[in-house]
Amino acid sequence: AQRVTQPEKLLSVFKGAPVELKCNYSYSGSPELFWYVQYSRQRLQLLLRHISRESIKGFTADLNKGETSFHLKKPFAQEEDSAMYYCALGWANNLFFGTGTRLTVIP
Amino acid sequence: DSGVTQTPKHLITATGQRVTLRCSPRSGDLSVYWYQQSLDQGLQFLIQYYNGEERAKGNILERFSAQQFPDLHSELNLSSLELGDSALYFCASSEMGTGELFFGEGSRLTVL
Repeated sequence: AQRVTQPEKLLSVFKGAPVELKCNYSYSGSPELFWYVQYSRQRLQLLLRHISRESIKGFTADLNKGETSFHLKKPFAQEEDSAMYYCALGWANNLFFGTGTRLTVIP
Repeated sequence: DSGVTQTPKHLITATGQRVTLRCSPRSGDLSVYWYQQSLDQGLQFLIQYYNGEERAKGNILERFSAQQFPDLHSELNLSSLELGDSALYFCASSEMGTGELFFGEGSRLTVL
């Protein structure tokens, strides 16, 4: 069965430090993977998807099929990156979300 | 605002009661999804509708039901409410096949 695991509920980093939010998935087919973000008092919104291979707000995520991972990375964290981040697996026109990681960037 | 709208924003009710949450999708989106967000549980997929028909079911309790109307708005009905049903209920809509969901602000249900 499809499953998304985000092992860290909370992650704190200092401003300017690199950040990596971990995501592992379990899926037997070719996965579609996404990162969604929820900033304070805002709606949950798409940050990036693996098929687009683009960098959004300095974030990138590489799909590693061997390790079944889709970690989200940013080389230099900013205070405005503080938010709740969800990794999601697309399957049968649905999205299955992980439990989320709350990132806090310390000034 | 042509985004996803949900009503009510907040709802407080008692155990055993029944409530209805309403969602209007983005203009042009045929697909509606319902998610439940409880403390420490992340986003749990409940159910999906596409153009009025149920398309997929997730971890939705039998006490819960949903439907999508001809005008594409959707309602989630929660009955025989229990304390554990207290949660934030999100609605999202999408064009089919894009993988991008557009979320509403959620309805916060508190069961006392």
